[in-house]
Amino acid sequence: ETGVTQSPTHLIKTRGQQVTLRCSSQSGHNTVSWYQQALGQGPQFIFQYYREEENGRGNFPPRFSGLQFPNYSSELNVNALELDDSALYLCASSLGGLRTYNEQFFGPGTRLTVL
Amino acid sequence: SQQGEEDPQALSIQEGENATMNCSYKTSINNLQWYRQNSGRGLVHLILIRSNEREKHSGRLRVTLDTSKKSSSLLITASRAADTASYFCATAWNYGGSQGNLIFGKGTKLSVKP
Repeated sequence: ETGVTQSPTHLIKTRGQQVTLRCSSQSGHNTVSWYQQALGQGPQFIFQYYREEENGRGNFPPRFSGLQFPNYSSELNVNALELDDSALYLCASSLGGLRTYNEQFFGPGTRLTVL
Repeated sequence: SQQGEEDPQALSIQEGENATMNCSYKTSINNLQWYRQNSGRGLVHLILIRSNEREKHSGRLRVTLDTSKKSSSLLITASRAADTASYFCATAWNYGGSQGNLIFGKGTKLSVKP
């Protein structure tokens, strides 16, 4: 157990809908990263939040957005869902600072299915 | 796009045998990490090796890093059925961009038969 929790565990949505996924980081961690993992692939970096600000983004469109709260928990929002958004969404927390590369602790993931 | 490529894509061995997985990457790195994933669940961090290190051990795990060849290997000795999982290497970028952004390969699926 890493102390990182995600909710919900599973989710089924319809194309065009919007979804919010939640992540509670490990105690003391100030950085949350989100990853998308399609079936049979490795995780792909979506974006990262450090002290409530976006601190880097991968190759994902603007309909993927996020928030980090003062307690360092985080949300991932996806608008206008597409079939290809079906994946396991992982969040990872770490104790970060500018230009540090520390171990990331992953949550169990949210399995999103878009029909 | 994915930074790393693991090799082989799948590996099947008997309990007690050693398992070796390789990872190649493309750009300069600060460190390289290995993770394990059981059946599409969350990732478990196994070991981190920094760019100025060549070898690291943790229990039954041995990781090597060759920055000149941009490659790493993970050796699991005396494998157990519980080691059955997918293994991923992940690299953290050396400069610019997001701090701590991990780039994963596609993984090696290890099956250990009892």
